[in-house]
Amino acid sequence: DTGVSQDPRHKITKRGQNVTFRCDPISEHNRLYWYRQTLGQGPEFLTYFQNEAQLEKSRLLSDRFSAERPKGSFSTLEIQRTEQGDSAMYLCASSLLEPSTGELFFGEGSRLTVL
Amino acid sequence: GESVGLHLPTLSVQEGDNSIINCAYSNSASDYFIWYKQESGKGPQFIIDIRSNMDKRQGQRVTVLLNKTVKHLSLQIAATQPGDSAVYFCAETRASGSEKLVFGKGTKLTVNP
Repeated sequence: DTGVSQDPRHKITKRGQNVTFRCDPISEHNRLYWYRQTLGQGPEFLTYFQNEAQLEKSRLLSDRFSAERPKGSFSTLEIQRTEQGDSAMYLCASSLLEPSTGELFFGEGSRLTVL
Repeated sequence: GESVGLHLPTLSVQEGDNSIINCAYSNSASDYFIWYKQESGKGPQFIIDIRSNMDKRQGQRVTVLLNKTVKHLSLQIAATQPGDSAVYFCAETRASGSEKLVFGKGTKLTVNP
C-alpha cells in the first residue's frame, strides 16, 4: 500500500498520560499536514511541514501538542498530559504541492479516546 | 473569521437520482475550493476542485458549481449509487499565504436502494 499510513489506528488513554501518533506520508510527498476531526465536524488544521521544517501552526495547537518531522519523511504528533477534550480523530495528510495546486492525500486517522 | 459551512447536515436520495450538496463560504479571499468524500472509518478523499476564476467544473459523474456573488459552492452527483453514501465536505484555501484547508461541517449523503 503506497498511501498515507497512520499508527496506531486507535488509542485509549487515561487523562494526564502522554500519547504519540506516527504518520508515514506518500514517499515522494514533501508536504505533510496534521488535522484533528471531532464527531460530526470537518477536519481542523493543526500544523504543516515542508520537508523537515514546520512552517505553520494553528492556534488549536496548544503547548501540550508537539509535532516533528525530523528527516522530512515520517512525522510524529505528541500530546502531553492528555485531557478529555483531546478525544478526536487525528488525521495526517501529505501532498506534493500546496493545496491550491494539488490534492491532499489523507490517511485513515488515529482515533484518540481520553478517559 | 473565515468559515465554510453546509446548508444541510443530511441528504437522502434514491439510487439513480441526482444529488446536490450545497456549501456556503464566508472568506471572499479564498481562491480554491475542493470537495472531499469521507466514508465511515476512513480519511477524506479528494473528489473535485475548482478555482475562483471558474464557475463550473465537471468530472466523472460529478459537477462543482461556484457562485462567488453569493459565496456558494455546490456538488452535483449524477445517477447516485449506494457507493456514494458518505459525508461530503467542502473546503477552501488561498493560493498564497496559509497552506491550510478550511473545512465545513459536512453533509451526510444516504443513498437508498
